[in-house]
Amino acid sequence: QQPVQSPQAVILREGEDAVINCSSSKALYSVHWYRQKHGEAPVFLMILLKGGEQKGHEKISASFNEKKQQSSLYLTASQLSYSGTYFCGTDLNNRLAFGKGNQVVVIP
Amino acid sequence: KAGVTQTPRYLIKTRGQQVTLSCSPISGHRSVSWYQQTPGQGLQFLFEYFSETQRNKGNFPGRFSGRQFSNSRSEMNVSTLELGDSALYLCASSLDTTGELFFGEGSRLTVL
Repeated sequence: QQPVQSPQAVILREGEDAVINCSSSKALYSVHWYRQKHGEAPVFLMILLKGGEQKGHEKISASFNEKKQQSSLYLTASQLSYSGTYFCGTDLNNRLAFGKGNQVVVIP
Repeated sequence: KAGVTQTPRYLIKTRGQQVTLSCSPISGHRSVSWYQQTPGQGLQFLFEYFSETQRNKGNFPGRFSGRQFSNSRSEMNVSTLELGDSALYLCASSLDTTGELFFGEGSRLTVL
């Protein structure tokens, strides 16, 4: 069962903050975040593991609440380059099940 | 190092035909996963191969099949194409099943 992402879309001005969420009905061991720009392949952002470990390449922060079975991605002081669709993936039977995505548009 | 390469990038087929898509993973990656992406549906998992063995399969009909070769290159095949099969098919490679996925740019299939 794929995770549920909210909000479906968000528009924000450069410099503003936004939070996007990923929820699962099943217990989570890890949450993966990817960003896909229009016409491009999804690119890895980070993995959040049960127990608090976090592995990522970018300066985008995220949280993982195991009890609530959800993760949130924090887009702080957003930049134009943050625009894209953000997908969260949760481990389901040894494979990643992705949500439908959060579309983020950052305008000047 | 070279990224994940998918071929062909674009193709148009008619209903009832079949199609084969190819994916060359990053050197050293033994896990290859396939996803179908359609507007509003996100990334739907098709299957995953590791060392030539299918380890996982999504909820797609038997018309969707795949395989992996000894050099880790993978192919997926869709037979008896339907209009609803029109989508972007993404291949991703990784060192292991639950690690970072490296996606190719995809093969965009249009079924007329």
